[in-house]
Amino acid sequence: GEDVEQSLFLSVREGDSSVINCTYTDSSSTYLYWYKQEPGAGLQLLTYIFSNMDMKQDQRLTVLLNKKDKHLSLRIADTQTGDSAIYFCAERTYSSASKIIFGSGTRLSIRP
Amino acid sequence: DTGVSQNPRHKITKRGQNVTFRCDPISEHNRLYWYRQTLGQGPEFLTYFQNEAQLEKSRLLSDRFSAERPKGSFSTLEIQRTEQGDSAMYLCASSLARGDDASPLHFGNGTRLTVT
Repeated sequence: GEDVEQSLFLSVREGDSSVINCTYTDSSSTYLYWYKQEPGAGLQLLTYIFSNMDMKQDQRLTVLLNKKDKHLSLRIADTQTGDSAIYFCAERTYSSASKIIFGSGTRLSIRP
Repeated sequence: DTGVSQNPRHKITKRGQNVTFRCDPISEHNRLYWYRQTLGQGPEFLTYFQNEAQLEKSRLLSDRFSAERPKGSFSTLEIQRTEQGDSAMYLCASSLARGDDASPLHFGNGTRLTVT
């Protein structure tokens, strides 16, 4: 079945790197996504990766995919106060190609 | 590109009343999705349309819920005889589906429903 899991909270110091982790169960995942949600707002697409890639970099964001372990991570370099939000990992699988399944989200808080 | 627009932003209603939400997707997007999000959880899929056809509905979508997309552009989600358990954020998203289905979803800011 489809299940996406994330740790609930992460606290980092401003300027450090944040690493948010995600595991998924469906080995037929085709695309994996990272979304950001600020309070009272919808979800903002940050980046996504095709399952035949193992890394994607976009400015301060680096996505790593370990398909063997079904593990996805999002690294945010030089974390700023504006990065405080909930980050959702999501997958699109071959069996449910029409929809995206989300994890429960990781709340990132930034310490001064 | 004005993004996905949802109205209203907030809706407070009494149990038993009917409510209707509207979503205007990004104009060239052919797919439109409805998700529900409760506090501390990720969005849960409810249903989606390709153009005007409703192609999939989740088991979460009880018969009190109905969604339409009559002309393949905007969509409405109606909840009849609301219950307190319907209180949630209702999110709409759209995408431009091509053959490889890679297109990510673009979300609106949601409609927050509170049933008292």
